[in-house]
Amino acid sequence: QQQVKQSPQSLIVQKGGISIINCAYENTAFDYFPWYQQFPGKGPALLIAIRPDVSEKKEGRFTISFNKSAKQFSLHIMDSQPGDSATYFCAASYPSGTYKYIFGTGTRLKVLA
Amino acid sequence: DAGVIQSPRHEVTEMGQEVTLRCKPISGHDYLFWYRQTMMRGLELLIYFNNNVPIDDSGMPEDRFSAKMPNASFSTLKIQPSEPRDSAVYFCASSLRLAGSTDTQYFGPGTRLTVL
Repeated sequence: QQQVKQSPQSLIVQKGGISIINCAYENTAFDYFPWYQQFPGKGPALLIAIRPDVSEKKEGRFTISFNKSAKQFSLHIMDSQPGDSATYFCAASYPSGTYKYIFGTGTRLKVLA
Repeated sequence: DAGVIQSPRHEVTEMGQEVTLRCKPISGHDYLFWYRQTMMRGLELLIYFNNNVPIDDSGMPEDRFSAKMPNASFSTLKIQPSEPRDSAVYFCASSLRLAGSTDTQYFGPGTRLTVL
């Protein structure tokens, strides 16, 4: 119940294409779903996040789609660029009282020029 | 702000030695987290503090690991004795919990630990 399952493990996309990364969770107590981006040699950094009361959130080329009934959420990167090449982690956070993140296993994205 | 500061950035040690990793959170943040990242297990939360008090250490792998936060601007993660399987990148992250806000954890650059 504590896992967040992320797929695919790696992804190669042509420049200008759409990158899609999927995550699934079991615990309905999770109430916050961030995506983190990590470049080699750096710490993860928050990219975009969503709460379960909305089905979609868009920030620039990045969109989170959230399906509460299916307990799934996904990150879409439109017009993917070589600079987007990084590892992406989804996460789920327990309610405010516990304030813990459970991270997915990560997706290594490579965008070809 | 300088962000979360971790030291050292790289540590190579021999099995059995004591290792101490250090973290300075972002000034004013009231939560501090220690994570371990490996290829096999991804990002694992080891322990987190709120206002310098350990809240949840259920992720600490065993008694060889200990963490302290003596004040709001400093935390340590100690491994004694170290083992080769402890080799990983250790991240420190901090955040500020404000009522009604979203949770953002700010990560440091990490310490890459290699135990020979």
